[in-house]
Amino acid sequence: EVLLAQPGEEVKKAGESLRISCQASGYTFSRHWIAWVRQMPGKGLEWMGTIYPGDSDSRYSPSFQGQVTISVDKSLSTAYLQWDSLQASDTAVYYCARRGDTLTGYDFWGQGTLVIVSS
Amino acid sequence: QSALTQPRSVSGSPGQSVSLSCTGAASDVATYDFVSWHQQHPGKAPRLVIYDVTKRPSGVPDRFSGSKSGDTAFLTISGLRPEDEADYYCSSYEGRQIVFFGGGTKLTVL
Repeated sequence: EVLLAQPGEEVKKAGESLRISCQASGYTFSRHWIAWVRQMPGKGLEWMGTIYPGDSDSRYSPSFQGQVTISVDKSLSTAYLQWDSLQASDTAVYYCARRGDTLTGYDFWGQGTLVIVSS
Repeated sequence: QSALTQPRSVSGSPGQSVSLSCTGAASDVATYDFVSWHQQHPGKAPRLVIYDVTKRPSGVPDRFSGSKSGDTAFLTISGLRPEDEADYYCSSYEGRQIVFFGGGTKLTVL
């Protein structure tokens, strides 16, 4: 069974750094792109970026380029989303998702990590 | 950067058919046959219901179907059921592994 496990919640202060994780199991981690998707409170889905665990090739939406860093640790089958300096506007739910055998369809999703940033 | 336009809301009665649209401002929808649709219930993670314009993942009822005409993709749900009430997001490929989501449509089953 394919699973993407994410922590439920992170609470931080503005200016702090944060790295959230997405641990994959049930499939060959290196063979599927993983994307990160933001959902701000009451808003829609925003595609942030993606990474191919096989070679760590990462791509970012222009809206998020330079704002976050996506990385992987193949030995742990885990993808990460990282901020160097959080802002209150980063408060949102962040999902990781596995891309299936297509270019846009995400066939498995984590349960999401709620990041709360207080100012 | 692409923009995918979806109507904010659509409604239908149980048993009816509804079609949700997704229009691309750039040439992404028209150029690529890589449009997907995801369903999201409140407080839940999204679920893939259509990919590559017309393909349905295993486990998704055949009441869900996808199509495309020019720069607009469509998700059609036939035989509406109360559990279909959700937000629906289209997504399109923009090249270089980059994807863009539409703003989402709230489907209400009356």
